[in-house]
Amino acid sequence: GEDVEQSLFLSVREGDSSVINCTYTDSSSTYLYWYKQEPGAGLQLLTYIFSNMDMKQDQRLTVLLNKKDKHLSLRIADTQTGDSAIYFCAESPGGGSYIPTFGRGTSLIVHP
Amino acid sequence: EADIYQTPRYLVIGTGKKITLECSQTMGHDKMYWYQQDPGMELHLIHYSYGVNSTEKGDLSSESTVSRIRTEHFPLTLESARPSHTSQYLCASSDGSRGEVTDTQYFGPGTRLTVL
Repeated sequence: GEDVEQSLFLSVREGDSSVINCTYTDSSSTYLYWYKQEPGAGLQLLTYIFSNMDMKQDQRLTVLLNKKDKHLSLRIADTQTGDSAIYFCAESPGGGSYIPTFGRGTSLIVHP
Repeated sequence: EADIYQTPRYLVIGTGKKITLECSQTMGHDKMYWYQQDPGMELHLIHYSYGVNSTEKGDLSSESTVSRIRTEHFPLTLESARPSHTSQYLCASSDGSRGEVTDTQYFGPGTRLTVL
């Protein structure tokens, strides 16, 4: 079945850039997503990218997609303490299935 | 802005009790989902529904049941709670039929369940 892999932890200094990486196995993925989960809350959609795009930028967020290597990354510029959260990568399998596959989440810790 | 609600937010109960976790959404979404999230953060899909009177089991075997009598409401019931059911339960909904991004899921705030 489909699989989405992420590293579990990332620690950065405030003001630096953060890069969270994700790999997936389903070559028929149509959309790929990044969700953010703050403590005690549900997941919130941060951004998404369609599978025929290479890059998408939205303010401090940049998503890069390497479809050949099935690699997705989320870059957060000027990382702030408020960015500390768990970030989930997810892929939508397409083909009429509406069940996305989520990675295990990367815990981003931003320290002063 | 997503409007999906879960109650209660926190619940502590004794073993053997029957409980129902409520989930409602006001967006008219056809598809709804229940996830169990363990302390290691990973999400496990336990139930989903593609519309009224449609319910399916997810990837993770669960002793819970769900119902979908109305579009906006997708409650999850545990007939006899056990300590192994202690977890965070997240409800989500999605709708790819109205020009929105297909499969984008909107999540509720979650219910933190502790079974003693």
